[in-house]
Amino acid sequence: KQEVTQIPAALSVPEGENLVLNCSFTDSAIYNLQWFRQDPGKGLTSLLLIQSSQREQTSGRLNASLDKSSGRSTLYIAASQPGDSATYLCAVRRNNNDMRFGAGTRLTVKP
Amino acid sequence: SAVISQKPSRDICQRGTSLTIQCQVDSQVTMMFWYRQQPGQSLTLIATANQGSEATYESGFVIDKFPISRPNLTFSTLTVSNMSPEDSSIYLCSVAPGGTGELFFGEGSRLTVL
Repeated sequence: KQEVTQIPAALSVPEGENLVLNCSFTDSAIYNLQWFRQDPGKGLTSLLLIQSSQREQTSGRLNASLDKSSGRSTLYIAASQPGDSATYLCAVRRNNNDMRFGAGTRLTVKP
Repeated sequence: SAVISQKPSRDICQRGTSLTIQCQVDSQVTMMFWYRQQPGQSLTLIATANQGSEATYESGFVIDKFPISRPNLTFSTLTVSNMSPEDSSIYLCSVAPGGTGELFFGEGSRLTVL
């Protein structure tokens, strides 16, 4: 059974700092891995999708990496801003229906 | 990508009543997924809805409690039946329209049961 763990559970940083969020998974036989952002009480916004054959994806100030062999992914946020404050979730897909979510990292960026 | 609209965005309901949540997608999709997110928790898949067939429920979820309709390729409903306070959650509809498997979500329906 695939288990997804995110560390830390919460993170508070001053504005402008670069930061890394971690995601680990127990079964390396994945189809893809996706990072999401969730604002309080809202749905999920897709940030980055990494296919199993890829090592990383970039979008603006965000960079996500994937190391299947070690069961890890990181989300790097450069030059953080208060608007980045949200919960970040990673999710791992094995097949069409089997998508497992981590519990998320709650990020606060202080002005 | 996909644009997903959910209704209602939030509701406060009395114990023992039922609520139906609607999900509308701006493109035709084969599968639609319904998730639950309990307070402070991550997402749990309730069921997968395919057009023209019965929904497939995950362990711990049953059709009597969470009946699902899927009348066409752009629309689905999830009903939360005979609600109790434990059903207070955000309910989310999602789809993966392209061949990449990227998952997109609606804004969610925040349900509070008193």
